[in-house]
Amino acid sequence: SQTIHQWPATLVQPVGSPLSLECTVEGTSNPNLYWYRQAAGRGLQLLFYSVGIGQISSEVPQNLSASRPQDRQFILSSKKLLLSDSGFYLCAWVGPWLPEAFFGQGTRLTVV
Amino acid sequence: RKEVEQDPGPFNVPEGATVAFNCTYSNSASQSFFWYRQDCRKEPKLLMSVYSSGNEDGRFTAQLNRASQYISLLIRDSKLSDSATYLCAVNVGGSQGNLIFGKGTKLSVKP
Repeated sequence: SQTIHQWPATLVQPVGSPLSLECTVEGTSNPNLYWYRQAAGRGLQLLFYSVGIGQISSEVPQNLSASRPQDRQFILSSKKLLLSDSGFYLCAWVGPWLPEAFFGQGTRLTVV
Repeated sequence: RKEVEQDPGPFNVPEGATVAFNCTYSNSASQSFFWYRQDCRKEPKLLMSVYSSGNEDGRFTAQLNRASQYISLLIRDSKLSDSATYLCAVNVGGSQGNLIFGKGTKLSVKP
């Protein structure tokens, strides 16, 4: 069966510090991968999606970046965090045979 | 017009009530449609896909209206455990695989 792992679960970082969130998928190949952010009381905002290794599409201009170094690995990064980067970050995957998306457990980031 | 829109609620209903949520989408090329449930401080989980002919899963019924570009979710005989935020999602499809979510509708079922 397919599983998606996302870590860490919670993170508190100071303003200006770097960020690296990792997401890995098991049990599938060539998934579409997504990073979403959900700010407090707001909806899911699509940040990046990737249809393959090295292929990243950005939906929203911001100080975040994403990379896909391996087929089942998706990384969200920032060189310098802002207070407005606080939120619930969710990684999701869509397999090649079904259109539904499945989410990791999320990382709750608080920038202080 | 936003790509996917939902009434944010909250919908406060008594146990046993029937409640319906609507979700509109702007891209007529959208191919796949879904309802997700999100509990407080948890990740969204797929509730059901929405098919052109409509589909039912127990107390839950989902319908798609392509002409008017909306999907709906009907919950019958509401339970306390149905309290959550319900998100609709639309996949435009194609090689870009763009999956867009609405902001969600919060449901609170009271005893």
